[in-house]
Amino acid sequence: DTGVSQDPRHKITKRGQNVTFRCDPISEHNRLYWYRQTLGQGPEFLTYFQNEAQLEKSRLLSDRFSAERPKGSFSTLEIQRTEQGDSAMYLCASSTGLAEHNEQFFGPGTRLTVL
Amino acid sequence: AQKITQTQPGMFVQEKEAVTLDCTYDTSDPSYGLFWYKQPSSGEMIFLIYQGSYDQQNATEGRYSLNFQKARKSANLVISASQLGDSAMYFCAMSRSARQLTFGSGTQLTVLP
Repeated sequence: DTGVSQDPRHKITKRGQNVTFRCDPISEHNRLYWYRQTLGQGPEFLTYFQNEAQLEKSRLLSDRFSAERPKGSFSTLEIQRTEQGDSAMYLCASSTGLAEHNEQFFGPGTRLTVL
Repeated sequence: AQKITQTQPGMFVQEKEAVTLDCTYDTSDPSYGLFWYKQPSSGEMIFLIYQGSYDQQNATEGRYSLNFQKARKSANLVISASQLGDSAMYFCAMSRSARQLTFGSGTQLTVLP
C-alpha cells in the first residue's frame, strides 16, 4: 500500500491524558499536513511541514499541541492534557509541494474521543 | 484570507442523472488552486478533481467535471451519470502555492435508486 497511513485509527482517552498520533506520508512527498475535522464540518488546517521544517501553524494549534517531522518522513502530532473539545478526526495529508496541481492525498484519519 | 462557501447542505439525485454541486470562493490571490474531495461514510478524503486559476479549460476527470467561472468566483462540480456509490459528503477546497487547503462546509449527496 503506497498511500498515506495513520496510526492509530481510533483513540479513546480520559481528559487530562496525553496522546500521540503518527502519520506516514507517500514516500516521494515532501509536504505533510495535519487537519482536524469535527462532525458535520470540513477539515480545518492545523500545521504543515516541508521536509522536516514546520512552515506554518494555525491559531487552532494551541500550546498543548505539538507536531514533529524529525527526518522529513513520518510525522507525529501530540496533544497534551487532552480536553473534551479535542474530540475530533485528525487527518494527515501529503503532497509533492509543487506550486501547480498540488493535490493533497489524505490518510484514513485518527478518530480521537476524550471522555 | 481565503473562504469557500457551499450553500447546499444536502442534495438528492436520481441514479444515472447528472447533478451539480455549488461552490463559490473568495480570495485576493491571483494564483490559486481549486479542489473537490469526496468523503464517504468511512471517513477518508478522496481527491476528485483540480482546477488551476490560470487554466483556460474546465477540468474533467471521468464522470467529474469542474465548471469554473473565474469572474463569478465559482467552481461547481458536475457529476454525470450518478451511481449509488457516489452517495457521500463532497467538499470544495482551495489553496495557493501548495500551502494548506481551505475547505467549505460540504454537501451531502444522496443518490436514489
